[in-house]
Amino acid sequence: NAGVMQNPRHLVRRRGQEARLRCSPMKGHSHVYWYRQLPEEGLKFMVYLQKENIIDESGMPKERFSAEFPKEGPSILRIQQVVRGDSAAYFCASSPTGTVNEKLFFGSGTQLSVL
Amino acid sequence: SQQGEEDPQALSIQEGENATMNCSYKTSINNLQWYRQNSGRGLVHLILIRSNEREKHSGRLRVTLDTSKKSSSLLITASRAADTASYFCATIGSSNTGKLIFGQGTTLQVKP
Repeated sequence: NAGVMQNPRHLVRRRGQEARLRCSPMKGHSHVYWYRQLPEEGLKFMVYLQKENIIDESGMPKERFSAEFPKEGPSILRIQQVVRGDSAAYFCASSPTGTVNEKLFFGSGTQLSVL
Repeated sequence: SQQGEEDPQALSIQEGENATMNCSYKTSINNLQWYRQNSGRGLVHLILIRSNEREKHSGRLRVTLDTSKKSSSLLITASRAADTASYFCATIGSSNTGKLIFGQGTTLQVKP
């Protein structure tokens, strides 16, 4: 029973390029959360998705960032026209039902470096 | 925005000693969870305490919750070098979803 899988593990982009981060939740989990972590800081919530729906995107920057979780395939966090300030570790987590007393299962993260 | 703050930001102890980390939060909660993060890795769930519970144990971990003070503590007894990691508290707010809001974390170093 594989855990939450994120790829790539490391991603290097030049300013202005696009970054696509993928997350496959645990088997049987239909709820996905994306978090961003800057060095020496905690995780900041970005977006919460259920299959084919965005439930809460209150932590997403208004521009350049988008997320999806299609019926088939992984969840994708897309960052267009990356800037140096986008450099961070991006973590995905999943849960079975999205209810309040569930723990989250985290992937190992994607470290994005913008040159 | 972050839900709360953790204290201390960094803690260094000798193997065998106990480590106590504190977490404060701002709004009413359904539950509070503690997670551990080893360097460069994702977070691993340690323990969940519900808002109507005051204390919970799991192995060498003891968590307390004081909703009147909006605070929680995590105690690791008889620490080991392998406990070296960052520890985060996280809360479920009133949104009635599984969305967690994390604190800034405490970095624990256990010296052998």
